[in-house]
Amino acid sequence: QSALTQPASVSGSPGQSITISCTGTSSDVGGYNYVSWYQQHPGKAPKLMIYDVSKRPSGVSNRFSGSKSGNTASLTISGLQAEDEADYYCCSYAGSSTFVVFGGGTKLTVL
Amino acid sequence: QITLKESGPTLVKPTQTLTLTCTFSGFSLSTSGVGVGWIRQPPGKALEWLALIYWNDDKRYSPSLKSRLTITKDTSKNQVVLTMTNMDPVDTATYYCAHSRLRTLDFDYWGQGTLVTVSS
Repeated sequence: QSALTQPASVSGSPGQSITISCTGTSSDVGGYNYVSWYQQHPGKAPKLMIYDVSKRPSGVSNRFSGSKSGNTASLTISGLQAEDEADYYCCSYAGSSTFVVFGGGTKLTVL
Repeated sequence: QITLKESGPTLVKPTQTLTLTCTFSGFSLSTSGVGVGWIRQPPGKALEWLALIYWNDDKRYSPSLKSRLTITKDTSKNQVVLTMTNMDPVDTATYYCAHSRLRTLDFDYWGQGTLVTVSS
């Protein structure tokens, strides 16, 4: 069982917006602004999409945005495209002992 | 540009020790704030963080696997080595190494991963 809870799957039609949640505790997501999100296509390595809760690395589309409220972080993808279909994982710093935790992953299907 | 590549055995027997090497380029592990981490992913399952080593030799381990893991670096060779003892079939996974930044605590560049199967 993963430390951070994500919905197993979400879906949306092209052009729509979807949001993926990532729920932790005050010891990880809620306690620090070190939440990152990764996109993983089948058979490929994960790719960093969001870091520091809401910052986008260079080259990542501005259709991807991140936010956090309390112990829950969220990834929103607007203007869904077929290429967005992938697995998405959240990750958070969890203090000096546990250090890093990942979510269980969410499969995004573009209908 | 930053690249990382994992290498090691594709098949190990139960109870054996796994040794994986991450060879990287485009950055130095002697640069302040830089780290290299290991993350694994069993087939069809989620990512699991294993260990991290920083430029100053600070080492961090997953609490659940700490007793089995050792991470080291060779700055001159641009390599990071992960050893995992007492391998079990449940450790079958793709093992990734990734560049990490202390300032943001993320993994911004990843290797292609290497599949390790544990079977007798």
